[in-house]
Amino acid sequence: GENVEQHPSTLSVQEGDSAVIKCTYSDSASNYFPWYKQELGKRPQLIIDIRSNVGEKKDQRIAVTLNKTAKHFSLHITETQPEDSAVYFCAASRPGGSQGNLIFGKGTKLSVKP
Amino acid sequence: SAVISQKPSRDICQRGTSLTIQCQVDSQVTMMFWYRQQPGQSLTLIATANQGSEATYESGFVIDKFPISRPNLTFSTLTVSNMSPEDSSIYLCSVEGGSGPAGEQYFGPGTRLTVT
Repeated sequence: GENVEQHPSTLSVQEGDSAVIKCTYSDSASNYFPWYKQELGKRPQLIIDIRSNVGEKKDQRIAVTLNKTAKHFSLHITETQPEDSAVYFCAASRPGGSQGNLIFGKGTKLSVKP
Repeated sequence: SAVISQKPSRDICQRGTSLTIQCQVDSQVTMMFWYRQQPGQSLTLIATANQGSEATYESGFVIDKFPISRPNLTFSTLTVSNMSPEDSSIYLCSVEGGSGPAGEQYFGPGTRLTVT
């Protein structure tokens, strides 16, 4: 079945630096790739997503890139701030189901040091 | 995005008992999902709650253990039956549809379950 690998599992950066989180998926039929941010004790929040007909998408300090050939996608956060500290999850849609039927990566704990 | 609420927010239950978790959305949505998130772990899909038909369960999850209802387009329940300590987890509902683009999925606040 579909599998999503996410790296790194932890990431520590200085405030103002950039952070990059990478994910790979196994099924080329996946066509929707969201990213969620989960702060401690809170619900996952959708922060950005990309669909298979697009290679890159930006929203202020965050961007996502998709390489369909290599079956990987990445989250880029620029000018990181302490409030970016959280666990980030990538996900891929499960082929054959609705786009909302998602498989999640194991998460990346991002720490931004002031 | 839709406003999603869950009840209860947390509970402590004895082994062998059952707990029903409610998920309410403020607008009609096409798809509702139930996830489990064990402490420090990722999200695992339990089932898709289909309005007017049986839920679709993922591998490793069965209806007898996690019966689900979806009586209308704004409400769903998940029951955790005959609980054991291994069922201690956060249970989250999520929704897709409504006014957002296809695929965008939003989560409820979660129900933190502890089984003693």
